[in-house]
Order: sequence, then structure tokens, then C-alpha cells
Amino acid sequence: DAMVIQNPRYQVTQFGKPVTLSCSQTLNHNVMYWYQQKSSQAPKLLFHYYDKDFNNEADTPDNFQSRRPNTSFCFLDIRSPGLGDAAMYLCATSRTSRRGYEQYFGPGTRLTVT
Amino acid sequence: ELKVEQNPLFLSMQEGKNYTIYCNYSTTSDRLYWYRQDPGKSLESLFVLLSNGAVKQEGRLMASLDTKARLSTLHITAAVHDLSATYFCAVALDIGTSYGKLTFGQGTILTVHP
Repeated sequence: DAMVIQNPRYQVTQFGKPVTLSCSQTLNHNVMYWYQQKSSQAPKLLFHYYDKDFNNEADTPDNFQSRRPNTSFCFLDIRSPGLGDAAMYLCATSRTSRRGYEQYFGPGTRLTVT
Repeated sequence: ELKVEQNPLFLSMQEGKNYTIYCNYSTTSDRLYWYRQDPGKSLESLFVLLSNGAVKQEGRLMASLDTKARLSTLHITAAVHDLSATYFCAVALDIGTSYGKLTFGQGTILTVHP
């Protein structure tokens, strides 16, 4: 089945130690998104790619970066995680269609910072 | 800036009762979504509403959209325990470089008890 896959599902990192989260998709969608969801809060968009074009939200901290080496894969890099970066990170994909950009979400990666 | 507000934020219901969750948004939107989220899980898409007057039903849940009032409702009929979850509405923008990015409401935590 076509799907959005996130690895790992759970990640523990130390304060200040760089970490990379991975998202892959078999849907061949041209748009990929990264959302951050802190405990008891709504998901918040960090950035998204349209093909290789990167779109950063104005309030996304510089500590967060992303790479999209090809259509299928997208990575979220956190250069120096702080305790406040502990959250669920959700990857989503969509494609251009007459119905707009309906998003398909992955299962998420739960990040713990110790 | 697009703002999306849900109410109530917390809803405790008895089994068998009916209730409505409201979602107001501040600017014209292309699409409105309702999602369900269970604790520790990703988002599950419930409904996508595309046009004024749209109404969709699935089981005990029914969603509607009034674009003139910028209001969507999620109506719960004869609640059962399995409906206990957090429900988010989200508004999509397709214009320019938005590429369907979602702005979420705060979420409504629904608890259904006997």
C-alpha cells in the first residue's frame, strides 16, 4: 500500500546533540510538510517543500533545517535540540489536484530530549 | 494571519447524548478538514469540506461548512465511548506558495463516559 513512513517512531537524544528524523513516501507526491506538535497542542507547520522548492515558516527556529534529496525522502535536522524541542514530529505529503492539496500524514516520530 | 478557533476545548459527554463542536476561522479558505487524534498517535482524517453548505456524515459524526459565516461544525450523535479522542479542525490555503498548508484549531478533547 502506498503510504507515508517515518523513522524512527521514537527518538531519544541528549540536550545539544544533533538529531535527524526521516520521512519517506511511496505516493509520489510533490509536496512534503513537517509539523511539530507539542504535548496538548495543535500541530504547527515548520516548513514544506514543493518539489525541491523550500518554504520556511517565518517563526520556525533556525535550529530546525530540512533536506529533500529526492521526491520520496525528506529529512528534519535539529542541530542543537533543547528541552523545548521535545514533541511529536509529523510528516505529511500532498499533490497538486483539482481538489487542492489534500494531506496524508505519517505515523509521527516522538522526540524526547534528555 | 489566518486564525482558527475551536470551542469547546474540553467536552465531557454522557454516552447516548448529542453535542456539537464549533470551528471558526478568520479568512477565506479553500478547504476545511476535521481530524481525529488518539493519544500518542498521528492524525486520522475524518472529513474534508470543499464548498459552502457542504455536509458529510460518517457513522455518528456529521460535519458541515458555512463559508459565509466562516464556521464549521462537527456534530456528534448518540455518543459512544469509542469516540473519546481529540478532534482538530484545520483550514487549508492553496494560494501562492502556501501549497495547502494547514492551520489547526486548538483541538477539542472529547471524553465520553457511561
